[in-house]
Amino acid sequence: GAVVSQHPSRVICKSGTSVKIECRSLDFQATTMFWYRQFPKQSLMLMATSNEGSKATYEQGVEKDKFLINHASLTLSTLTVTSAHPEDSSFYICSARARFRVGQPNYGYTFGSGTRLTVV
Amino acid sequence: QKEVEQDPGPLSVPEGAIVSLNCTYSNSAFQYFMWYRQYSRKGPELLMYTYSSGNKEDGRFTAQVDKSSKYISLFIRDSQPSDSATYLCAMGEYGNKLVFGAGTILRVKS
Repeated sequence: GAVVSQHPSRVICKSGTSVKIECRSLDFQATTMFWYRQFPKQSLMLMATSNEGSKATYEQGVEKDKFLINHASLTLSTLTVTSAHPEDSSFYICSARARFRVGQPNYGYTFGSGTRLTVV
Repeated sequence: QKEVEQDPGPLSVPEGAIVSLNCTYSNSAFQYFMWYRQYSRKGPELLMYTYSSGNKEDGRFTAQVDKSSKYISLFIRDSQPSDSATYLCAMGEYGNKLVFGAGTILRVKS
């Protein structure tokens, strides 16, 4: 089945520094990747959608200059949290989607295992 | 009104019970429906995927979709402590982003 690898699983950084999170599709080509943020006991909040080779589309209220997304290849997308602050501490999850085909079961959205970011 | 409504729980049941988890939605354009299971501090794991009204069964899990009522359910038979997790419903239109419910916390007590 489709596998998405996300690294690191946990990171602690100092306020003001930048952190990069990687999301890789291991056995399929991800034409689209999604980045989510999840607060404790809350659902997934979509931050941005990125298509390979083009600029990411950010959801309303998400600062694109703060959360830099790069989707340079069909198997790799990165999220960089720039000048991180304690309020950026959260659980970040990526999801990858292959080229969607009507009627094809689940070749929709496969999630990474998430990254717990703590900014101190 | 949210596009997808899901009771956050928590829902506590004894081991062996049948669990019923539900979501309602308002967007009649949604074409496919998913249920994800998320353990604490992990990414969501797909449990069920369906795109038509009716029932779909996979082991102890049954997904039910009623498009006329805009209502979906996930049933878990013979629930186990290992089923304790947060269950998220998700739905969308082909080619568009997924919309998630808030997630229901399930606790199965042995």
